[in-house]
Amino acid sequence: QSVLTQPPSASGTPGQTVTISCSGSISNIGSNYGFWYQQLPRTAPKLLIYRNNQRPSGVPDRFSGSKSGTSASLAISGLRSEDEADYYCATWDDSVSGWVFGGGTKLTVL
Amino acid sequence: EVQLVESGGGLVQPGGSLRLSCAASGFTFSSYALTWVRQAPGKGLEWVSSISNNGGRTFYSRSVKGRFTISRDNSKNTLYLQMTSLRGEDTAVYYCAKVSVTTTINEGFDIWGQGTMVTVSS
Repeated sequence: QSVLTQPPSASGTPGQTVTISCSGSISNIGSNYGFWYQQLPRTAPKLLIYRNNQRPSGVPDRFSGSKSGTSASLAISGLRSEDEADYYCATWDDSVSGWVFGGGTKLTVL
Repeated sequence: EVQLVESGGGLVQPGGSLRLSCAASGFTFSSYALTWVRQAPGKGLEWVSSISNNGGRTFYSRSVKGRFTISRDNSKNTLYLQMTSLRGEDTAVYYCAKVSVTTTINEGFDIWGQGTMVTVSS
């Protein structure tokens, strides 16, 4: 069982907006930045969002992140077939002095 | 090109040992903390261990503390993970990753290797 809680699956049709939630606690998301990673099938993860809502260069602005209290969210607008992937939230946890990941959300584009 | 390349994975018996390496290129290796993250077959990502840029601080997940040792050789631009007392639940793809901001440990991982598979089985 993961420290950060994500829905195991999400889906949408092309063009729609999908939001993935990530619930934590005061010692992790509540006190530190939230990060999001995208993992396409059979590839290494890729940093998608850093410091709650910042996009690395090259990441489309269709991807956006937010944080409120002990929860973080990833929104994907204008959904495209190539967005089908697993999405993971992550953050530093002060209580364990280490990183914690969510269990991952498998996004399906219908 | 900024790159991380893992090696050293393979099949090992329960109770055995293995050392993973991660060779870095394309960035100032000694300025960045590094991390190992693993992924068991069909499962999610699990943080394993992190090390500060100068090697002075190390951090381990509860599941590997006391069995795994992270280290780095800044003169060789290489990160290591010494794994001992291996168990079936350690079977996973092991990724090394670079922290995105210099000298800090708790920023995101902007560069990942391709991963190396470790299988613990008799």
